[in-house]
Amino acid sequence: KAGVTQTPRYLIKTRGQQVTLSCSPISGHRSVSWYQQTPGQGLQFLFEYFSETQRNKGNFPGRFSGRQFSNSRSEMNVSTLELGDSALYLCASSLSQGLPGNTIYFGEGSWLTVV
Amino acid sequence: AQSVTQLGSHVSVSEGALVLLRCNYSSSVPPYLFWYVQYPNQGLQLLLKYTTGATLVKGINGFEAEFKKSETSFHLTKPSAHMSDAAEYFCAVSDFPGGYGNKLVFGAGTILRVKS
Repeated sequence: KAGVTQTPRYLIKTRGQQVTLSCSPISGHRSVSWYQQTPGQGLQFLFEYFSETQRNKGNFPGRFSGRQFSNSRSEMNVSTLELGDSALYLCASSLSQGLPGNTIYFGEGSWLTVV
Repeated sequence: AQSVTQLGSHVSVSEGALVLLRCNYSSSVPPYLFWYVQYPNQGLQLLLKYTTGATLVKGINGFEAEFKKSETSFHLTKPSAHMSDAAEYFCAVSDFPGGYGNKLVFGAGTILRVKS
């Protein structure tokens, strides 16, 4: 059974550009979450999608957005990139949303460098 | 709001020695607690989780953790460290506003170094 797949793994963007990251959850999983990991702020929750609807959102500016498709695949977009957006972006999937103790599986992440 | 504190950003042990990584949580509801490990340039791998029931939770790679409500702690232990255990470890608690969801609140992480 394939795990959570994220693409691209590494990318470099210029300040002011936008970027789209993609995530394919584990087959059958309907909940997808995104996290940002930086040395200074650690792991921070961005948002969670379930059945194509954003269910939870973290404290990030509106430049960070996401969506989920009918096949549960998800994308996140960051517009007007800033140097501080350089980070590892992790996608996580879970079977359902109803149980808070669900096991949450993470992908390998997408390394974004903004120059 | 839920929060997690990991005591010690770096822990160093000798190979074969006991590993103890500390985690304290704050939660307004019965907590769901997790330990994840991250190897360099990789994502997070679940070691173990506590939901309800038995307070001593066994995980993968010989790790276990004990939920102590009175101490609001969920420390991670392994009786004998192996070189391959060198990694960063994260404690996390579920935060589910509205009563549902899969949001995790993470601690700052503890880097485990294993000396030969």
